[in-house]
Amino acid sequence: GNSVTQMEGPVTLSEEAFLTINCTYTATGYPSLFWYVQYPGEGLQLLLKATKADDKGSNKGFEATYRKETTSFHLEKGSVQVSDSAVYFCALREPNTGNQFYFGTGTSLTVIP
Amino acid sequence: NAGVTQTPKFQVLKTGQSMTLQCAQDMNHEYMSWYRQDPGMGLRLIHYSVGAGITDQGEVPNGYNVSRSTTEDFPLRLLSAAPSQTSVYFCASSYSTRRNEKLFFGSGTQLSVL
Repeated sequence: GNSVTQMEGPVTLSEEAFLTINCTYTATGYPSLFWYVQYPGEGLQLLLKATKADDKGSNKGFEATYRKETTSFHLEKGSVQVSDSAVYFCALREPNTGNQFYFGTGTSLTVIP
Repeated sequence: NAGVTQTPKFQVLKTGQSMTLQCAQDMNHEYMSWYRQDPGMGLRLIHYSVGAGITDQGEVPNGYNVSRSTTEDFPLRLLSAAPSQTSVYFCASSYSTRRNEKLFFGSGTQLSVL
């Protein structure tokens, strides 16, 4: 079946530190991959996505590359800010299962000044 | 742009009560869905719809009903609330069910069942 595994949190970083949040997936077909971000008290919003192998999604300084050989979609940012404090969800959407979304459990990030 | 609108934002119920969580979208989206978010478990799909008049079960459908009489609205009904249904509920929609289409989320309903 399909599943998404994210690194356990919470993660606490100092401002301007480098961020990596690991995400690996299992899929029966050829999924699209997504990172969503949830700020306190809000719904999830799309951060970036990639739809085929070797694609790089990027937005607001965040990047993730679709690695089919390692079934991974790790989220990175070179220099985090306090405003990046949020919960980050990795997700996939895959046609063999009716194009339903599968979400990871989320990784909480806190950035301290 | 309203996007996906959920009401209410907060609700407290007693065990055995029923209620309806409302969800409306103004983007003419074909696909709508309900998730629940619980600590350490991410988001789990309750029910979804691929168009007016068409609904189907997700991963955790027990205790919930849905209907889709219009493209815009997708209410979630709790038939007889139980403490295990204490959670944050999100409605989400997408333009289609194509695999590259993103989901748009509402701001959530925090439900407590006592």
